[in-house]
Amino acid sequence: GIQVEQSPPDLILQEGANSTLRCNFSDSVNNLQWFHQNPWGQLINLFYIPSGTKQNGRLSATTVATERYSLLYISSSQTTDSGVYFCAVRAGTYKYIFGTGTRLKVLA
Amino acid sequence: NAGVTQTPKFQVLKTGQSMTLQCAQDMNHNSMYWYRQDPGMGLRLIYYSASEGTTDKGEVPNGYNVSRLNKREFSLRLESAAPSQTSVYFCASRGTGGRGTEAFFGQGTRLTVV
Repeated sequence: GIQVEQSPPDLILQEGANSTLRCNFSDSVNNLQWFHQNPWGQLINLFYIPSGTKQNGRLSATTVATERYSLLYISSSQTTDSGVYFCAVRAGTYKYIFGTGTRLKVLA
Repeated sequence: NAGVTQTPKFQVLKTGQSMTLQCAQDMNHNSMYWYRQDPGMGLRLIYYSASEGTTDKGEVPNGYNVSRLNKREFSLRLESAAPSQTSVYFCASRGTGGRGTEAFFGQGTRLTVV
């Protein structure tokens, strides 16, 4: 089955710093989403981005489907950005497979 | 908007007990999913339902059964709970067509099997 890998696995930033999170996938995908899991365990939708680039405030994402990767950019990080960031891809018609996650901690 | 609602939020079971986790969505989505998340790990797909009346196995289906009761509801049953099933369980739903294929998740059910 399709493999979804994220890097780095862990990241510690000082408040105000920028970061780039990466999601690599091993096969063609129909769509891709980025989620933020906050410290309370909630999964929050960030981007639905099967291809191209999108921006939402301090966050932006780019997916290059032909090269099988997606990037999530966080600028001017804040402590509330802490948590785990997951990408998930749809492989085939219905299966939705999650990556391994990047655990982010932003220090005040 | 309620979105995806899971019940219960917390549950403690003894080994061998059975229980059903409930999930309902109000977005008229066709596809629904059950995932488990173990500590420090990503989400693994247990079962999914592409549409009302159909269910299929995901990555880790052993020890679970599911029922797609109607378009809104998708339940997950543990027939004989084991400590290895201690986890956080998430239900999700997804529509079809363009932006509608975005998946939405419930709040999760934290299950402990002792």
